[in-house]
Amino acid sequence: NAGVTQTPKFQVLKTGQSMTLQCAQDMNHNSMYWYRQDPGMGLRLIYYSASEGTTDKGEVPNGYNVSRLNKREFSLRLESAAPSQTSVYFCASSEVGRRGDEQFFGPGTRLTVL
Amino acid sequence: AQTVTQSQPEMSVQEAETVTLSCTYDTSENNYYLFWYKQPPSRQMILVIRQEAYKQQNATENRFSVNFQKAAKSFSLKISDSQLGDTAMYFCAFRNNAGNMLTFGGGTRLMVKP
Repeated sequence: NAGVTQTPKFQVLKTGQSMTLQCAQDMNHNSMYWYRQDPGMGLRLIYYSASEGTTDKGEVPNGYNVSRLNKREFSLRLESAAPSQTSVYFCASSEVGRRGDEQFFGPGTRLTVL
Repeated sequence: AQTVTQSQPEMSVQEAETVTLSCTYDTSENNYYLFWYKQPPSRQMILVIRQEAYKQQNATENRFSVNFQKAAKSFSLKISDSQLGDTAMYFCAFRNNAGNMLTFGGGTRLMVKP
């Protein structure tokens, strides 16, 4: 039982390049989330998926797209990376009503955009 | 929109002593959930404790307890018998009853000194 896994762990991009961050969970959770954490700040929600087949914008969605590929996987795509997107990205999952709706987090991806 | 404020960017405590981290929030809702997450240097987000707003009794988890003051919209975390492994960033988070999105505070960096 790996929980929430994310790939890659580290990534350096040049401005304008694109990439996809992958997230998978093996806890059979319906809900999944993408957050970003900038230095000295708390996590901010980018997008979330309440269930398979649905996605919704969070607090800071501009510059990102997401895909809920199936119940296990939720990917985050940067189409044209910008230095302002340099951050640590966390994926999380939860199940409403299970373990008090606790969100379980992945280990994070540190992204640097030059 | 909800906001969560942690007014102490950094704190330190001697090993075995007690420390209290502050958190205030703003919401117009009556039913909601509050959380404290710990983020050690490994970056992993770990749930420490949760509180349902409809419960008057303060939550406790071993050495961790909260002081939930609903009228004052205050949710502080008390760590008793501090241990070196408690050194981490601590984030307060809010979730409303209708959804499952978390709003985080800016965090408090706690250093436990030997």
